[in-house]
Amino acid sequence: SQTIHQWPATLVQPVGSPLSLECTVEGTSNPNLYWYRQAAGRGLQLLFYSVGIGQISSEVPQNLSASRPQDRQFILSSKKLLLSDSGFYLCAWIGGAGNTIYFGEGSWLTVV
Amino acid sequence: GESVGLHLPTLSVQEGDNSIINCAYSNSASDYFIWYKQESGKGPQFIIDIRSNMDKRQGQRVTVLLNKTVKHLSLQIAATQPGDSAVYFCAESEGGSYIPTFGRGTSLIVHP
Repeated sequence: SQTIHQWPATLVQPVGSPLSLECTVEGTSNPNLYWYRQAAGRGLQLLFYSVGIGQISSEVPQNLSASRPQDRQFILSSKKLLLSDSGFYLCAWIGGAGNTIYFGEGSWLTVV
Repeated sequence: GESVGLHLPTLSVQEGDNSIINCAYSNSASDYFIWYKQESGKGPQFIIDIRSNMDKRQGQRVTVLLNKTVKHLSLQIAATQPGDSAVYFCAESEGGSYIPTFGRGTSLIVHP
């Protein structure tokens, strides 16, 4: 069966510090991968998606970036965090012939 | 598209009542629809889906209704329980699109 893991689950980072959130998917190959952000009590905002290794599409211009170094690995990064980067970050995937998107457990980021 | 800048609407019900959560979609070409449940601090979980060639689909205590004429989707939860308290999102996608569009979400609060 397919599973998705993302980490860390929670982190508190100072303004201006770097960020790296990692996500891996198991049990599938060549999945579409996504990073969403969700502010407290709000809806889902698509940040990046990837249809293959090294292929990244950005939906929202900002100081975040994404990379896909391996087929089932998706990384969300920032060189210098802003207070407004605080939120709940969700990795997600779609695999096979379907278009059902499945989410990871999320990573809470607080920028102080 | 995604309504990420608005606070979520709230539905309050008593334990044992039936709940109906509604979702309007805008793309008449969408042919696949999903409902997700998101508990506090967790990633959204798949509940039930429906394709456009159907107007009703039932699961365990949940029913999804699709009205393509008015582009409306609803989730009915029978005998609502406190454990059903969560935010519920609808999502739509079209054909081979790999970017689903999420609704703004509804917060369901079940009072014992």
